[in-house]
This record gives sequence, C-alpha cells and structure tokens, in this order.
Amino acid sequence: QITLRESGPTLVKPTQTLTLTCSLSGFSIGSSGMGVGWIRQPPGKALEWLAVIFWSDQKRTRPSLESRLSITKDTSRNQVVLTMTTMDTVDTATYFCAHTRGIMGFDFWGPGIQVIVSS
Amino acid sequence: QSALTQPRSVSGSPGQSVTISCTGTGSDIGDYLYVSWYQQNPGKAPKMIIYDVSKRPSGVPDRFSGSKSGNTASLTISGLQPEDEAEYYCCSYAGRHSWVFGGGTTLTVL
Repeated sequence: QITLRESGPTLVKPTQTLTLTCSLSGFSIGSSGMGVGWIRQPPGKALEWLAVIFWSDQKRTRPSLESRLSITKDTSRNQVVLTMTTMDTVDTATYFCAHTRGIMGFDFWGPGIQVIVSS
Repeated sequence: QSALTQPRSVSGSPGQSVTISCTGTGSDIGDYLYVSWYQQNPGKAPKMIIYDVSKRPSGVPDRFSGSKSGNTASLTISGLQPEDEAEYYCCSYAGRHSWVFGGGTTLTVL
C-alpha cells in the first residue's frame, strides 16, 4: 500500500526559503521506475505541477520556477525534498507530493500541507 | 507551459451523463497519449480516476471513461450519482518530464 505524507513549516515569511519533505511508504524511491512529484494548489485555484524526481535521480522542475526550485531524494530515508527559495505571498498554497511510475500521471497523493506566506 | 482549458462548471441530474472537455495544444495533449483525470473533493487530495487517456485505476467505477481527439481530451461520467459532485482536473504529459494541469471543472449533481 503506497502512502505519502508531506511535512514542513506551515508559515514562512516573504523572502525565506521553504523546505518540504515527502515521506514515502509502500515503495522505495530507489526502485526502478519509481518517481515522486510535487504539485501545489493556491486557495480556490487549480493544481500546478512543480517538480518531479525519479529513481535514477533524473529530475525536472517547472520552467517558470526553475531558478527557485530544487528537488532531491534521500534513498536511505526514503524521502523526497522540495526546496523553494525567495518565497512570496503568491506562493501561499497547499503543497502535495504524489507518486508516479513514469509519465502516466500521479496515482497516489499525500494529504497535502498548507503553507502560508506572510510577514 | 499554459494551463489546459476546461469549462468552469458542468451539471447534470442523477442518472444522466456529463462530459468534461480539456483542450490543450500540439505540445501536450496533441502530442502524447498520457492524459490523466483527477477527482478532488473539498479539503482533500486529488484522486486519479483516468490515466493514459482512457484507462481506469483499480477501484474506479466503469461509469468514468476518457477519450482524446486531437488536442482535446474528454472525461465522461455516465449514470451520475450524488457522490460524483466534485472538482475535476485534467492533466497531460508535456514532454521532458513535465506535466500541465487544467484549470478545473466543478461538477454539480442537480
């Protein structure tokens, strides 16, 4: 049974760096074909894909946020970490991590973590 | 990487069928057979209901079906039930390990 859970700060100040951790269960991020993505959803708005990382360490971030985003994995802890620099109020959103087996989409999702950016 | 275009809302009565469209471009929907659909209830995480255009994950009722023609994908829900009332999002692979989501459609069961 695949499960994911996001953790991190729920309140950050503008200009600060956000670090979110996705803890994985039921699969290993080091196993062939496995991947984890991050998707966010501002209040009342649509889903927005942010980044993905695969077992092979192949990774990709949203082009429009490329300079601010990084994604890494810790195979020994079975976790994926998303870092977003220079946070702004427009980055206020619920951040989800989700499992993928390739390019078919995201089949299992964490419950999400609500992050508010405010001074 | 512009969002896919979905109608803001659709509605139908119990037992009826509704179709939600999702329009992209030749760089996403038009170029790949990797469209997925998600159902999201308020305050909850999205749930995958369709992948690879028309395949259903285990446990998803066959009332949900997907299709694609050109740059437009569609989700059809037949035999509408009250519990189908939710927000629906389409998503397409856009190449080089990137994805694009639609703007979301609110389904109201009358």
